[in-house]
Amino acid sequence: NAGVMQNPRHLVRRRGQEARLRCSPMKGHSHVYWYRQLPEEGLKFMVYLQKENIIDESGMPKERFSAEFPKEGPSILRIQQVVRGDSAAYFCASSPFTAAPLPDTQYFGPGTRLTVL
Amino acid sequence: KQEVTQIPAALSVPEGENLVLNCSFTDSAIYNLQWFRQDPGKGLTSLLLIQSSQREQTSGRLNASLDKSSGRSTLYIAASQPGDSATYLCAVVLSGGYNKLIFGAGTRLAVHP
Repeated sequence: NAGVMQNPRHLVRRRGQEARLRCSPMKGHSHVYWYRQLPEEGLKFMVYLQKENIIDESGMPKERFSAEFPKEGPSILRIQQVVRGDSAAYFCASSPFTAAPLPDTQYFGPGTRLTVL
Repeated sequence: KQEVTQIPAALSVPEGENLVLNCSFTDSAIYNLQWFRQDPGKGLTSLLLIQSSQREQTSGRLNASLDKSSGRSTLYIAASQPGDSATYLCAVVLSGGYNKLIFGAGTRLAVHP
């Protein structure tokens, strides 16, 4: 069972361009979370999605950022008109569907390191 | 607002030492607490997960304790090895909310031979 996959692993963009980060959850997982890690900081929650639904986007910047998790295919985090402050590592995590109030362990991907020139 | 703090920020020890990493959180209404390991340029590996009703969890040379009332958790690493060198992150999930992890900034551990 392959782990959580993210691509690309490294992405370089110039200011004003768009960045698209992809995350394929583990097989059988229907919950996806995106986190951002700025240099020398801990991870910060951005958004929580289930298939075709955004459940909690309280950590997403209001402008330029969007996320989706379609019925088929990977979850996408999209950053429009990138700025230097968007340079960070973006991690995706997934967890399985469960009847419990909350799913437990999240399994993390290797991250996408975005550099904005 | 839940805040998670980890002390110390960095630690350098000789091989073989037993060590303790500390994590504190401001809101005791947590669902669970997890300790992760992060290697440079890599993703996160879950080490231990403690449910709010539990006091501790053990895995090999690692032992994590949880004191919800005081808002503290410790990660104990026995007989440290150079391969333990990494950043250790503590994260909590709040009760009554979605399963989003709130992370501390981490402790950077270096174990030298």
